[in-house]
Amino acid sequence: SQQGEEDPQALSIQEGENATMNCSYKTSINNLQWYRQNSGRGLVHLILIRSNEREKHSGRLRVTLDTSKKSSSLLITASRAADTASYFCATDGSSNTGKLIFGQGTTLQVKP
Amino acid sequence: DSGVTQTPKHLITATGQRVTLRCSPRSGDLSVYWYQQSLDQGLQFLIQYYNGEERAKGNILERFSAQQFPDLHSELNLSSLELGDSALYFCASSGQGYSGNTIYFGEGSWLTVV
Repeated sequence: SQQGEEDPQALSIQEGENATMNCSYKTSINNLQWYRQNSGRGLVHLILIRSNEREKHSGRLRVTLDTSKKSSSLLITASRAADTASYFCATDGSSNTGKLIFGQGTTLQVKP
Repeated sequence: DSGVTQTPKHLITATGQRVTLRCSPRSGDLSVYWYQQSLDQGLQFLIQYYNGEERAKGNILERFSAQQFPDLHSELNLSSLELGDSALYFCASSGQGYSGNTIYFGEGSWLTVV
């Protein structure tokens, strides 16, 4: 079963705009990871945020984590056409294994 | 490039057949994971190996089995294939055990069962 739920399921924006994707999960976690997947390709790791962290940045990416609300958000600033992809959050359900539980993903389309 | 290598990239096989997917983890990573991505189930964890030993198991069918060899590469064996086994199979790896390490995924192996 999927623990994470991404919102929205699909997002279409113009190049240069910001894109925000949200993820909610059900159980406590150690860490939450965000991945990108271009159509039919591999999963590219974007950011890992630990349960004791509230915000993390990587280039144009900003991830927040609210463990009290069991939610996370991924913000992509100044989007580019190359950002067009599906974005997934994955939680570890507080296990000490690599059993990641993925949401269904948000499909982002950035129009040039 | 994540450093995780999977072969083959694509394969088409008939129902009832058996296939083996191969994975080489990133250099130095001891943990290997297998995931399945299908349209109806999304991304599902199958199994994890750590330094040759099974560490965690997900919803892996009995027709599927995996192992990790002394050189740390891993194989996922899928037998008595059914149409519903058509999916993208990912291998991933991480350093040491898990303990919050980033998990890196390969490009996947596309399996089509006809």
